[in-house]
Amino acid sequence: DTGVSQDPRHKITKRGQNVTFRCDPISEHNRLYWYRQTLGQGPEFLTYFQNEAQLEKSRLLSDRFSAERPKGSFSTLEIQRTEQGDSAMYLCASSLEVRGLGYTFGSGTRLTVV
Amino acid sequence: SQQGEEDPQALSIQEGENATMNCSYKTSINNLQWYRQNSGRGLVHLILIRSNEREKHSGRLRVTLDTSKKSSSLLITASRAADTASYFCATDEVVANSGYALNFGKGTSLLVTP
Repeated sequence: DTGVSQDPRHKITKRGQNVTFRCDPISEHNRLYWYRQTLGQGPEFLTYFQNEAQLEKSRLLSDRFSAERPKGSFSTLEIQRTEQGDSAMYLCASSLEVRGLGYTFGSGTRLTVV
Repeated sequence: SQQGEEDPQALSIQEGENATMNCSYKTSINNLQWYRQNSGRGLVHLILIRSNEREKHSGRLRVTLDTSKKSSSLLITASRAADTASYFCATDEVVANSGYALNFGKGTSLLVTP
């Protein structure tokens, strides 16, 4: 296990289509986070899981967004009826439960909605 | 909303020079972290400083924290072209129950020329 993996690296989709991204965290990390980053901005928090429980969702996460983490392992982030404003880099990170530790980020999935 | 604000937004220096980036934040923190991001990639954790610490070193990195001024600085000494990247500060804050998530600033873009 060499780190956090995200798939796909790039996704181009037409407006209105649904897309799903996958994140495989470091196996012993029980916390998993999703962030969104647009050009020239820092990452913005979307949601996070502790094991399989989704504990918080940002107001940025509209009803078109849904995230799951079945069995507390990998996670998926689905965007339904994509809009051009959804174009961004979607970053996944994982960490241990202990507060005050750094996060390990994946390389991200770059979504382009045309 | 983004918690930290980095200053400057962009910094250009020559190899061998030192680079200093500053971060200001708004709320009380448990710890402050610095991350690096190469273009189009995920973030890499550099260093973490706790609220009861004032200074921390890691290789060519030196981080200071002034909780009274709600500010932090990252110093990279003897910079190299490979240090070219965006640098973000992040503070952790409560997001749900006992959960925490990192809140990132907009970053400083550092260019180190040979």
